This record gives sequence, structure tokens and C-alpha cells, in this order.
Amino acid sequence: ILNVEQSPQSLHVQEGDSTNFTCSFPSSNFYALHWYRWETAKSPEALFVMTLNGDEKKKGRISATLNTKEGYSYLYIKGSQPEDSATYLCAPDSWGKLQFGAGTQVVVTP
Amino acid sequence: SQTIHQWPATLVQPVGSPLSLECTVEGTSNPNLYWYRQAAGRGLQLLFYSVGIGQISSEVPQNLSASRPQDRQFILSSKKLLLSDSGFYLCAWNPNTEAFFGQGTRLTVV
Repeated sequence: ILNVEQSPQSLHVQEGDSTNFTCSFPSSNFYALHWYRWETAKSPEALFVMTLNGDEKKKGRISATLNTKEGYSYLYIKGSQPEDSATYLCAPDSWGKLQFGAGTQVVVTP
Repeated sequence: SQTIHQWPATLVQPVGSPLSLECTVEGTSNPNLYWYRQAAGRGLQLLFYSVGIGQISSEVPQNLSASRPQDRQFILSSKKLLLSDSGFYLCAWNPNTEAFFGQGTRLTVV
């Protein structure tokens, strides 16, 4: 079982500011690294699935990078909006089995 | 298109009572199915996964069990609930790309 850590646990961001947070993992013995966005009372929604060291993916104002050699992934939100408020989960995928971190809760205030 | 259904959405059960949560998937065959739980203040933890009818793997020792009676049906059960079984339960389908989640069940054991 991988010990996946996400930091910070929570953060407050002013609307329009950019932010980033970290997912770290002690071993890169997994198939892919997933990022999910989870809003209260909804199902987690996939943002990115990254498989290669150095992979960089972007969806609108949100992007992510993966460094399997040093054991971390960053997620960036550019120009945060109130609708970005959610918990962001990362999860290494060990051939179907996802090991989730505890998440980073992002609150964007107008 | 594929969809995943999970019910009930909320459940309040007394200690010692039985539990049955059901998850069904539409639009695919032989899906890999997963049960996750989020206990209070913690991240999503993988409980069980199944790669086919009658095939169940347990990730952590616990008071719960799972069954796969049909190809697209995955059931989470308990004979006698404990207070520590309270949490948010999510069924997921992972076709080896991104995972798709049900709407979740909020279980409160009282």
C-alpha cells in the first residue's frame, strides 16, 4: 500500500489568484497517477490521468505535472474562480486499484 | 454510454443491524468494480474490488463483505453494523483509464 500524502490539507484562495498543491508518493511502482475533483454531494470527477515521468496535462485553467523520479505531482489552478472550490484528490493507480490521498480542500472566496 | 448507479443515497442504521448497499453498471460488460469508503476526517480507502462474477478481493480487514452475484452488480454488506462503519461509501468502475464513481451512500450508524 502506497503512503500518498497531499499538502496542504486545505487552502483559501482569493478569486483571481493562482495556486498549486502537492501530491507525494514514496514509490513510483504504479501504472498511472490520477487527479480528481470532488465537490460536496457529488461524485469525484476525473481531471487528469498521467502515466509518464515529466507528463504535463492541462484542462482549461487547471494543469498538472508528474515527476515519478522524485515522487511528486503538482496541480495548478490559474486565476481561481469560486467554482473551483472543491477537494482535489490524487491517486496512484496500481493496475486498477486507486490509493487516494486525503485530498486538498480548496476554498475560493470572491 | 456507461453509467454507474448506487443506492441508497443516505442511510441511518442502528448498531447491530444488517447492511446492504447496491451498485450497478450499465453500458459495459465484465467491468472491474470497487468499493471505497471515506471515514470522518480521512481519505478514500479501497475496501473491496472485483474483476468478475464471484471474484472478490478484500484490501483491509473489516466488518464488511462484498459480493458480485451478476456481471454488472456489486453489493456491499454487513451482518451487524458497528459505529465505526459510519462513513461515505462510493462504488467505482475503472476501465483502466479514469475511474467513474456512483453518487455515494452516506451511512450513519447510531
